[in-house]
Amino acid sequence: ETGVTQTPRHLVMGMTNKKSLKCEQHLGHNAMYWYKQSAKKPLELMFVYSLEERVENNSVPSRFSPECPNSSHLFLHLHTLQPEDSALYLCASSRDRGTGANVLTFGAGSRLTVL
Amino acid sequence: GQNIDQPTEMTATEGAIVQINCTYQTSGFNGLFWYQQHAGEAPTFLSYNVLDGLEEKGRFSSFLSRSKGYSYLLLKELQMKDSASYLCAVSNSNYQLIWGAGTKLIIKP
Repeated sequence: ETGVTQTPRHLVMGMTNKKSLKCEQHLGHNAMYWYKQSAKKPLELMFVYSLEERVENNSVPSRFSPECPNSSHLFLHLHTLQPEDSALYLCASSRDRGTGANVLTFGAGSRLTVL
Repeated sequence: GQNIDQPTEMTATEGAIVQINCTYQTSGFNGLFWYQQHAGEAPTFLSYNVLDGLEEKGRFSSFLSRSKGYSYLLLKELQMKDSASYLCAVSNSNYQLIWGAGTKLIIKP
């Protein structure tokens, strides 16, 4: 399998649930990202991992907890979310960070609905 | 602050030409990207401009003017499959990507 794969594609959860989003890339990339995409808003960068080390955390609430066990896998653990957290969560990877021509390869996203 | 502006929505006719504009104000500049995102799908890379001028890739072209903080994506010979959102993003001095909210392009027969 090639590209970036995200599971599940759709998730409905209550505010007290705990769930996880999974992302997998088979491109040999060294950097992985979590983005939040809400309707008619710019993509919001949540977390960046480079060589399995978290290098950016953009003031994301602690109810979102990332995990990067190896360079091919990235998780986003969700706990006690709020309805305003309902959005499309996109995972992306790139060969490296810190270069201008840093092309991202995105997964199709996990559509999250918090009731 | 840093921001990217692009129109929210545009409509064009199949077979025609459409130009999607993007203006930016960022802390430094290390290149501008265009991505295409079909509904329910992953954004996919279209183009990267770091020098002024026009880059052509088949039916799609992307233009950059760094002095004006301006870019456009030109789509020729529009096809129904070009209906999608087009995202503009700028890499700033820290190589952080600053994103626009996207332009939804609707193609009518």
